[in-house]
Amino acid sequence: DAGVIQSPRHEVTEMGQEVTLRCKPISGHDYLFWYRQTMMRGLELLIYFNNNVPIDDSGMPEDRFSAKMPNASFSTLKIQPSEPRDSAVYFCASSSTVLETQYFGPGTRLLVL
Amino acid sequence: EDQVTQSPEALRLQEGESSSLNCSYTVSGLRGLFWYRQDPGKGPEFLFTLYSAGEEKEKERLKATLTKKESFLHITAPKPEDSATYLCAVQALLSTGFQKLVFGTGTRLLVSP
Repeated sequence: DAGVIQSPRHEVTEMGQEVTLRCKPISGHDYLFWYRQTMMRGLELLIYFNNNVPIDDSGMPEDRFSAKMPNASFSTLKIQPSEPRDSAVYFCASSSTVLETQYFGPGTRLLVL
Repeated sequence: EDQVTQSPEALRLQEGESSSLNCSYTVSGLRGLFWYRQDPGKGPEFLFTLYSAGEEKEKERLKATLTKKESFLHITAPKPEDSATYLCAVQALLSTGFQKLVFGTGTRLLVSP
């Protein structure tokens, strides 16, 4: 298996623009997680899905953030409008159950100017 | 509040100089403790899962142990390729009934030849 795939790997945008991050989980994994990593706060869970349904979105910082999972092999995290404080590395992870090991993608490094 | 604290923040070792990394946690309803390795510019890579006090797991030069309040990652005779950030995470059962991984901020390990 190719592992968790994320795109783009790097994104540079200007404040106010819409940003869309993409993730393809490992085939057969029913859980998908979106994390944000910063130097100050480390890795933080934003939202997770089970069988394409959002289960816990309490970590989503603001209404500017939204996530969807239209099918078992694709998810998006959207920021609209983006702000400089959104600059971070965003990771997607997947697992077969909520208790099993989460496997992480390579991340998207986002810089909002 | 669920909390994971890792120490030290950074550790510099000479090749062959054994040491231990610490992960202490305060969490209700522990479901598991995970160790990950993260190289610069990459996503966290799974190392171990521990579920109960007294449990130990080994992989090459690494051994993870678990007590009721903390976990240790022992590194025996490290090599430069062991240089990375080591992340500890606990699977916590939230009051909402949801579960999530709570990460520590990591220990940056540098092994010099």
